[in-house]
Amino acid sequence: GAVVSQHPSRVICKSGTSVKIECRSLDFQATTMFWYRQFPKQSLMLMATSNEGSKATYEQGVEKDKFLINHASLTLSTLTVTSAHPEDSSFYICSAPPGAGGGDTQYFGPGTRLTVL
Amino acid sequence: GNSVTQMEGPVTLSEEAFLTINCTYTATGYPSLFWYVQYPGEGLQLLLKATKADDKGSNKGFEATYRKETTSFHLEKGSVQVSDSAVYFCALKNSGNTPLVFGKGTRLSVIA
Repeated sequence: GAVVSQHPSRVICKSGTSVKIECRSLDFQATTMFWYRQFPKQSLMLMATSNEGSKATYEQGVEKDKFLINHASLTLSTLTVTSAHPEDSSFYICSAPPGAGGGDTQYFGPGTRLTVL
Repeated sequence: GNSVTQMEGPVTLSEEAFLTINCTYTATGYPSLFWYVQYPGEGLQLLLKATKADDKGSNKGFEATYRKETTSFHLEKGSVQVSDSAVYFCALKNSGNTPLVFGKGTRLSVIA
């Protein structure tokens, strides 16, 4: 099946620094990717929709200047957490539907655990 | 808007017990329905799905039937194993490049 990778899998950073998380579709092109955030023992909350070649669409309550999303190619989307603070510590997961036409199935990356000290 | 409601966990069962995790949804149009599983320390994996009313998704002994009349997609397994211990998420998706909408997840623990 289709594979989505994320890098890094874990990152620990100091408060005030920025962290970049990469999401790659390894064997298919994805015009759209989704970024989710999962708090401990809670569900996944959609943060934003990343669109190749255009601006990301953010969900209500998500600060676009804090969570910068760049979908530079059909196989790569990046999420940058700027000026990270301890409350940004979370599990960040990306997903992508294969193909330009989308589809029902989405493939999830393994997630990135961010810890901000 | 779209939403998914799952039964609250955690659920603790003995090995070989019958499992039901309830899931109901609210949606516009005709969404596809999914169950995802998250094993400890891992990412989400698709367990099964159904794309239209009365469809039954099945995988690894798990089943769920898309019930439009009751807007439900309950997950069942006849005999659970310790290895089934995980968090199970019910989700829906409308057509096109739209995101999944997840329930809150149900943690299942199976004890030998």
